[in-house]
Amino acid sequence: EIVLTQSPTTMTASPGEKVTITCRASSSVSYMHWYQQKPGASPKPWIYETSKLASGVPDRFSGSGSGTSYSLTINNMEAEDAATYYCQQWNYPSRTFGGGTKLELK
Amino acid sequence: EVQLVESGGGLVQPGASLKLSCVASGFTFSDYWMSWVRQTPGKTMEWIGDIKYDGSYTNYAPSLKNRFTISRDNAKSTLYLQMSNVRSEDTATYYCTRSIRGWFAYWGQGTLVTVSS
Repeated sequence: EIVLTQSPTTMTASPGEKVTITCRASSSVSYMHWYQQKPGASPKPWIYETSKLASGVPDRFSGSGSGTSYSLTINNMEAEDAATYYCQQWNYPSRTFGGGTKLELK
Repeated sequence: EVQLVESGGGLVQPGASLKLSCVASGFTFSDYWMSWVRQTPGKTMEWIGDIKYDGSYTNYAPSLKNRFTISRDNAKSTLYLQMSNVRSEDTATYYCTRSIRGWFAYWGQGTLVTVSS
């Protein structure tokens, strides 16, 4: 089973700041997917297949990476971006999630 | 609009069985793979398993395959999760999801299962 390690676990960012969340896989994966979750709500697909933005996701978000290292970047942090972000991979036959990164507004 | 509505959660005693349901609407249910994902109170996310659009194939997380069974009734647009011999560590919110290739494109609101005596 591939283990996904996210860093940092928790972070704060000021409005306008650039934010980068990293997800490292214990073995190489083809794609990484990202979800955003706010308190009391279900996770929402956010970035899929490494770099494609899900419907409705602002273009200040981007995803990149390959092999064992992937990242989610926010250019110009906004208050509404405060949430927990999870990475997820599918390497047949198993899917696994990272432990999450809680992003707070400073 | 795609909607996934889970039900069947609640308080259950250790060792008991429980069956969760997920009614889908807004899309042709029989065209899509479906999955279950759970989230513990500590916010850990765990994939449980997938089922092929026609129900002919299932795939489970290795740690759960002996106790959990996923099935579907395409005539009722309903996905099921049968949980047996539940343990305290099965306490979680259970989400029904629609899969697209390797990712979970749509999520239900979740149903909370609490395992406690």
